[in-house]
Amino acid sequence: GENVEQHPSTLSVQEGDSAVIKCTYSDSASNYFPWYKQELGKRPQLIIDIRSNVGEKKDQRIAVTLNKTAKHFSLHITETQPEDSAVYFCAADISSGSARQLTFGSGTQLTVLP
Amino acid sequence: EPEVTQTPSHQVTQMGQEVILRCVPISNHLYFYWYRQILGQKVEFLVSFYNNEISEKSEIFDDQFSVERPDGSNFTLKIRSTKLEDSAMYFCASAGESAGTQYFGPGTRLLVL
Repeated sequence: GENVEQHPSTLSVQEGDSAVIKCTYSDSASNYFPWYKQELGKRPQLIIDIRSNVGEKKDQRIAVTLNKTAKHFSLHITETQPEDSAVYFCAADISSGSARQLTFGSGTQLTVLP
Repeated sequence: EPEVTQTPSHQVTQMGQEVILRCVPISNHLYFYWYRQILGQKVEFLVSFYNNEISEKSEIFDDQFSVERPDGSNFTLKIRSTKLEDSAMYFCASAGESAGTQYFGPGTRLLVL
């Protein structure tokens, strides 16, 4: 099955700096890569996703890049703000055709220091 | 904006007891999922459900687990005989299409004593 590795497990940055979180996946058939943000005690919220037919996607301060050859994808947050502090999870999926089965990374605790 | 809802928010039960966790997916969604997250760990897939049957299930989803869509709105996860290691946050998710974004509910925190 799919295995997703995520690094780093913790990341502290100064407000205004950029943050980068990296994930690798094992199954070359994976075709969908979402990123979720989870604040303490709350539900995971999708912040951005990318499909395997594109290499990069951007939404304001958030961008995701995908390298299918190397089987890795990264989350980039620019101009970080204290409210960006949360746990971020990457995930990968092989669509079975009838439903997705997301395999999550182990999470990155991002702390943005004011 | 429509959201997935879950009840109860917290459930405490004795080992060996049955629990039913309830979810109301977003109304026009057709694909339903259960995930669990043990405290401090990553989110783990349990099961996906479409067209009134299980599409995929993980190794965690053994014979003690079952899912049901008893009516047009609810989607339930039943654990027949809970174990201590079933203590976790259980998230329901739904999607409008097979390749669509999964939207998570707020979770049910289950504590098995």
